[in-house]
Amino acid sequence: DPKIIQKPKYLVAVTGSEKILICEQYLGHNAMYWYRQSAKKPLEFMFSYSYQKLMDNQTASSRFQPQSSKKNHLDLQITALKPDDSATYFCASSQWGGYTLYFGAGTRLSVL
Amino acid sequence: QQQVRQSPQSLTVWEGETAILNCSYEDSTFNYFPWYQQFPGEGPALLISISSVSDKKEDGRFTIFFNKREKKLSLHITDSQPGDSATYFCAASEDTGANTGKLTFGHGTILRVHP
Repeated sequence: DPKIIQKPKYLVAVTGSEKILICEQYLGHNAMYWYRQSAKKPLEFMFSYSYQKLMDNQTASSRFQPQSSKKNHLDLQITALKPDDSATYFCASSQWGGYTLYFGAGTRLSVL
Repeated sequence: QQQVRQSPQSLTVWEGETAILNCSYEDSTFNYFPWYQQFPGEGPALLISISSVSDKKEDGRFTIFFNKREKKLSLHITDSQPGDSATYFCAASEDTGANTGKLTFGHGTILRVHP
């Protein structure tokens, strides 16, 4: 059974709309992360959260907002979607300070 | 600015051969280098890692060779199996005493192992 659940697996959106990507982890970790993988760029770190607090933010745009309602949840809200936002978004988790990250299967977002 | 580079982009070997995947980096503050393996439709999974205090790390058929002076490392997969066919990512992070989970990834090498 997957220990990091990302929903949905595929998502199609129109330019200007808003979407929420869901991530839940059942590994008992206290840190969660979002990474993005686009066609032209390697996996890029976006955010890290520990104990539901933002620890690091490497996204330049405020259109990307992580939301943590529970300690094992870290959703990603993306507003005013653009075609350049098309990518696969990966959620990951670890113990805070640990070096081994565990990744989910990703949500592939296509913005038309 | 791409800080972690991988070569080749793709590699094909026959079953039983040794596959060599290369990685180089620019940032001297990087001191931890994990390799991740990714199969289609799945997320990356940690395969093996090395810290900058070592020059070699071995785990079964997988070995990392690390050259700190040249800022290069390589992943050797001996006795390659068709099940090793995947994309391999070299990544790097710096130990600032408070690891934030930020890894810098290369573009990956697609490995195909023919039976």
